[in-house]
Formats: sequence, structure tokens, C-alpha cells
Amino acid sequence: GENVEQHPSTLSVQEGDSAVIKCTYSDSASNYFPWYKQELGKRPQLIIDIRSNVGEKKDQRIAVTLNKTAKHFSLHITETQPEDSAVYFCAASPGNQFYFGTGTSLTVIP
Amino acid sequence: GAVVSQHPSRVICKSGTSVKIECRSLDFQATTMFWYRQFPKQSLMLMATSNEGSKATYEQGVEKDKFLINHASLTLSTLTVTSAHPEDSSFYICSARKVGFRDSGRGYEQYFGPGTRLTVT
Repeated sequence: GENVEQHPSTLSVQEGDSAVIKCTYSDSASNYFPWYKQELGKRPQLIIDIRSNVGEKKDQRIAVTLNKTAKHFSLHITETQPEDSAVYFCAASPGNQFYFGTGTSLTVIP
Repeated sequence: GAVVSQHPSRVICKSGTSVKIECRSLDFQATTMFWYRQFPKQSLMLMATSNEGSKATYEQGVEKDKFLINHASLTLSTLTVTSAHPEDSSFYICSARKVGFRDSGRGYEQYFGPGTRLTVT
């Protein structure tokens, strides 16, 4: 099955700085890679996603890059704000199912 | 929109009893729903894929006789934790995918329910 690794597990940045979270996956059949933000006690919310036919996607302060050859993808958040503080999960999908990374707890220090 | 609800939001039960959790897609149809389990400060672990009108597909290591899944309609899937034990205490989250949703890059997204906090005493 698919195995997704995510780093770092915790990340603290100053407000305004950038944050980068990296994930690797094992199944070459994975073709969809979403990123979810989860606040404490709440449901995961999709923040950005990328399909395997695209190398990069950007949505305002958030961008995702994908390297299919190396089987890794990254989330980039620029100009971080305190409200960006949350746990972020990457996922890889080889079909219907999503397999999630272990999560990154991001803290943005005002 | 794409709203998924879960009921109950919290449940406490005694060891040895069974608990049923409902997952509903409120404004769309979902042939496929998914059940996840999340321990505190940990990731979402996929337990099973719930298929409308057919048997669920369980991930390796998940006991199908303990976690019974029924997907009786296009808007409802239920997870029953049978003979619950304290180690079953966890946060259970469901998700659903839309039927026939076509867009240039979408149609892959899963919409998550708010989760159910199960505590077994």
C-alpha cells in the first residue's frame, strides 16, 4: 500500500516568514495530492491540491510543488499569519483512497 | 456546497457494548465514503472504504467484524464499533466524494465530517 512520510512534525515561524512542509510517497500509482489544514477538534479542510500532470500550483499565499520522479511534494506558505497556525496533513491518492502523512503542527509567532 | 455531517459528535459507552456512528452527505450524493480514525496529535488513518450497495473494503490490520460498515444509501454510511474496549477510544472521521462531479481538476476531493469522539470506559 501507499506510505506517506511528512516532515517536519513541528514548525515554528515568525509572522511574515515562509513555511515549507515536505512529503514523500511510495506508490507510483498515486496521481492526486491534497493538502489539508486541521484546527484542534475540527474537521480537516482542503487548502490546495495538485494532480500528477502538473508540477506546481499556486493559490494566493499557498503553493504546492510535485516531483513525480522523486516521489515528493511540498507545501509552501508565504507571508505567514497567526491564523495559519494549525496542523497540516499531506495525502497521496493512488485511486479512491487517501493516505495521509503524519502531520505538521505549524505555529506562527506574532 | 458539499456538507458532510456525523452523529453523534461525542459518545461515551461502557466496555463490551456497541456504538453506531452515522455519516451523512447533506447536499450531494456519495457512492463512496471513507472512515478514518485519528488518535490525539496523530494522523488520519484510513480504516475502510464504504461502497453504496456493496461490501466495505477494509485496510490491512482493521478488523471487519469489529468495525461494521453499512452504506445503505447514497447519502448515509454507518460505522458500528462492536464490543467496544477502551483501546477503541478515538476520534472517528468520515469523508465522502461526490457522484458525477466533473471539473478540470476536481472530482477527486473528499469532504470530511466533523468527527465523532468515542470514549469507552
